[in-house]
Amino acid sequence: DTGVSQDPRHKITKRGQNVTFRCDPISEHNRLYWYRQTLGQGPEFLTYFQNEAQLEKSRLLSDRFSAERPKGSFSTLEIQRTEQGDSAMYLCASSLSDEQFFGPGTRLTVL
Amino acid sequence: QKEVEQNSGPLSVPEGAIASLNCTYSDRGSQSFFWYRQYSGKSPELIMFIYSNGDKEDGRFTAQLNKASQYVSLLIRDSQPSDSATYLCAVRGSGGYNKLIFGAGTRLAVHP
Repeated sequence: DTGVSQDPRHKITKRGQNVTFRCDPISEHNRLYWYRQTLGQGPEFLTYFQNEAQLEKSRLLSDRFSAERPKGSFSTLEIQRTEQGDSAMYLCASSLSDEQFFGPGTRLTVL
Repeated sequence: QKEVEQNSGPLSVPEGAIASLNCTYSDRGSQSFFWYRQYSGKSPELIMFIYSNGDKEDGRFTAQLNKASQYVSLLIRDSQPSDSATYLCAVRGSGGYNKLIFGAGTRLAVHP
């Protein structure tokens, strides 16, 4: 399978805990994006990497969120001190040009 | 005003009919327009993209773009029950990098 992969697929955590998600993009894609989607809404942009550089970050993203792409390949998204409002599907997408292809997502539930 | 607006639906069409899904956007400088299909519990799947005014056809799907009216649509011909899903319109705006701005989606139900 050469598509975008994400791990884990599901995560249940208690409020206040830290969680980390991983995304492996399509191998030749140098652009990587994180989005968040809640029920009944479209995906909402969180952050964008070109190679290892984080070029854009949503102003809606609180300081509890951090993302890395250390070698320009896989990326991690960490949420510190999770809150119930963080419960959502976290989607990773990659692209070589304009068209973005999504991974299966990580569904986060914060109890 | 939302940046990308779609009718939430549900849009119900009989099998074999044409389904017409519409989207309007607010950023007049937007350059690229995408349609994604999302089945319940799954991630979005890219089905069409369009950059220029006019129509673009791919199999049973036709995307239509009118930049003057800031309007993009998706037509699905010969609709099948397997087309029942939420269709997300996404726009790459003129500012920033390549982030996509999504509408909330239109739920399509194709009944036999």
